[in-house]
This record gives sequence, structure tokens and C-alpha cells, in this order.
Amino acid sequence: GAGVSQSPSNKVTEKGKDVELRCDPISGHTALYWYRQSLGQGLEFLIYFQGNSAPDKSGLPSDRFSAERTGGSVSTLTIQRTQQEDSAVYLCASSLEVGSSTGELFFGEGSRLTVL
Amino acid sequence: GQNIDQPTEMTATEGAIVQINCTYQTSGFNGLFWYQQHAGEAPTFLSYNVLDGLEEKGRFSSFLSRSKGYSYLLLKELQMKDSASYLCAASRDSSYKLIFGSGTRLLVRP
Repeated sequence: GAGVSQSPSNKVTEKGKDVELRCDPISGHTALYWYRQSLGQGLEFLIYFQGNSAPDKSGLPSDRFSAERTGGSVSTLTIQRTQQEDSAVYLCASSLEVGSSTGELFFGEGSRLTVL
Repeated sequence: GQNIDQPTEMTATEGAIVQINCTYQTSGFNGLFWYQQHAGEAPTFLSYNVLDGLEEKGRFSSFLSRSKGYSYLLLKELQMKDSASYLCAASRDSSYKLIFGSGTRLLVRP
């Protein structure tokens, strides 16, 4: 696609429910990143993929968070048993390759998650 | 350790010049990014500095001093549409992670 696409754009859920957030990166971009942005905070790194592999999952806040990527394209971030502190905007970004010359990331518009 | 500091909010007048500062402490520092983010929208890339000095791109310029751990973004001839958050981010050698500051919310007034 022309840009990074994320869905849903908004999700309201009840505490304890599971949610799935989807990211469709720019075609041909091998690197995919998930960040979280809480109100008034900077972007917090969660995980990145090189192809379908996630070499570093250390940014995931807890074992309730998981992510996968299939076909070197679409990625899904899953949050199980959501808690109110999970409320944030979840941003996905892609880049041509990891450590590319400029490192420029192309961001999607994010999925705003609200846990009641 | 890793730390990025930038002011929370700034206000400036349309047509004026504003400088947004960013200080960083990042082990293995490689380069410094600036991103612009309008409310409810995706961050968009503005600039990337690896070497010391000033990089100019139209109305926007970015400066880096590696020895001082300091960068700034300079916006000239401010327009109302420049009202946005400006995110400073540091990259590390051989690292895929960008470490972001909390962002500076800029309000441009008529």
C-alpha cells in the first residue's frame, strides 16, 4: 500500500478482554516496529520484526503482550486480559531494512485503545 | 543509560522563529532524528543528523553537537499549520531502536 495501515483506528474494550491490533506495512519494507504512546508521553518501543522474526521482544510490557508477523508483511499485536494501564495509542512503523542509512521510520496513524 | 529531554510545550507567533531544544544521554549514540506529529496523526520524518552542524531544509533546520549531547530544531517563518508535537529521537549504533523523547507541543498563535 501507499503507507502504513493500522486497524482498528479506535478500540474500546472492557478490562479483562483480549484485543488484536493489526498493522499492514509499506510493501517491500522488511522491518516492522511496534511502539506505544501514552498520553503526554514519548513513544515507547515494544518490539520489532526483521522479516517474520522478532529478535528483540524486551520492550513488551508483560507476558500478556505478544506479536506475530506472517509472510513478511502483516503484523498483529495481541493484548490478553487487558488492563486499564494498557490504554494508549499503539503505533506501527516500517522501514526498508533494519539499520538502513537514514533509519527513517514510516508510521501508521495508530490504534487508540481504551480499556474501561 | 538512555535519556532524552525536551521542553513539554512552547508557544510562538505566526511568522516568527522558534527553536526547540533536545538533550540526550545515549550510550553508543549514532544519530538524532526529529519527527513532527499532528494531533491524531502519524509522526512524520523531518530530519536526521549524524555529523555535528546545521542541516537546513527549507523553513526547518536541525543542529547537532555530539560532544554536548545537544540538538535543536529551528522553525522559521512559522505558519499556523506548524502547530504540532515535535519528537526528538536518538538512534544507537547497530540498533533498530529509536529512543524517543516525550515530545514538545508547539502552539503557533496568529
